[in-house]
Amino acid sequence: NAGVTQTPKFRVLKTGQSMTLLCAQDMNHEYMYWYRQDPGMGLRLIHYSVGEGTTAKGEVPDGYNVSRLKKQNFLLGLESAAPSQTSVYFCASRLAGGPYEQFFGPGTRLTVL
Amino acid sequence: GENVEQHPSTLSVQEGDSAVIKCTYSDSASNYFPWYKQELGKGPQLIIDIRSNVGEKKDQRIAVTLNKTAKHFSLHITETQPEDSAVYFCAASKPGNQFYFGTGTSLTVIP
Repeated sequence: NAGVTQTPKFRVLKTGQSMTLLCAQDMNHEYMYWYRQDPGMGLRLIHYSVGEGTTAKGEVPDGYNVSRLKKQNFLLGLESAAPSQTSVYFCASRLAGGPYEQFFGPGTRLTVL
Repeated sequence: GENVEQHPSTLSVQEGDSAVIKCTYSDSASNYFPWYKQELGKGPQLIIDIRSNVGEKKDQRIAVTLNKTAKHFSLHITETQPEDSAVYFCAASKPGNQFYFGTGTSLTVIP
């Protein structure tokens, strides 16, 4: 049981490049989340999904897109990376009906030059 | 949306002393309040949580208190140990809704 895994662990992009971050969970959780963590700002929600084929915007969705084609996977895309998107990205998942505990992945450190 | 404020941002205590971290929230409809611990280079991990129908919850050296009227909740760690050193985050949520996190408290336990 791997829990929540994230790929890649580190990435450096140039401004304007695109990339996709992959989150996978093997706990059969319905809800999945993408957060970004910046110094002094805690965790901010980018997008989330309450089930396969559904997504919704969080607090800071601009510049990101997501897809949830399979229940176990949640993809976060950056179409045209900007230096402001330099951050650590965390994926999380949880059961729909509770308990409400979110299980987090180990994070992806992204630097945009 | 919800606004969660967390204080202090940094906290240093001597080993064996207690540590208290406080959070306030703005949305009276929020009813679930978890606390997460994040060690260096890792993702946050739930350490304790409380629902709005409960005033206090304890788990060994960790306790959380909730004051719904004042819209604040606190994390209490007693008999602190060096392995308690980490960043702690509070959060608030409504059922089936997104979570709003505080800005974190970096706790250092001095041996």
